[in-house]
Amino acid sequence: GEDVEQSLFLSVREGDSSVINCTYTDSSSTYLYWYKQEPGAGLQLLTYIFSNMDMKQDQRLTVLLNKKDKHLSLRIADTQTGDSAIYFCAESSSSGSARQLTFGSGTQLTVLP
Amino acid sequence: DVKVTQSSRYLVKRTGEKVFLECVQDMDHENMFWYRQDPGLGLRLIYFSYDVKMKEKGDIPEGYSVSREKKERFSLILESASTNQTSMYLCASSPPGQQGLGSKFFGPGTRLTVL
Repeated sequence: GEDVEQSLFLSVREGDSSVINCTYTDSSSTYLYWYKQEPGAGLQLLTYIFSNMDMKQDQRLTVLLNKKDKHLSLRIADTQTGDSAIYFCAESSSSGSARQLTFGSGTQLTVLP
Repeated sequence: DVKVTQSSRYLVKRTGEKVFLECVQDMDHENMFWYRQDPGLGLRLIYFSYDVKMKEKGDIPEGYSVSREKKERFSLILESASTNQTSMYLCASSPPGQQGLGSKFFGPGTRLTVL
């Protein structure tokens, strides 16, 4: 079945860039997503990228997709303490079924002052 | 402001009790989902519903059932709670279509502890 993998922890200093990486196995993935979960809250969709794109930029967020290697990354520029959260990568397949959204285990980003 | 609400933020129940987790969305979304979130495992889909009275099993439906009598409400039922169902439960809703698949709106979660 589909699998999405992320490292569990990342620490960066305030003002530095953060890069959160994700790998997936489903070659039929059509959309790939990044969600953010702040402490005690539900998940919030940050951004998504369609599989025929290489890059998407949205203010401080840059998503890079290497479809050949099935590698997705989220770069946060000028990381702030408010960016401390768990970041989930997710992918959907082309089947169109509502169940086909697979999440990674989440990366806990800690921003140090 | 659109939202997904869950009936409780924290819940403590005893083994064997019947537990109801309620979720309501005000966006007129067709799709609603129940996930459980456990450390290191990410989100795992329990059940989802794509219309009133319709339901489909997700990846880990054992020990759970669901009810969707009205479009805005999706309930998760633990018929006989067990300690291994201690977890964070997240409800989500989304509009139809491929893009809607990922454009899920999540509730704040219910942290259930089964003693």
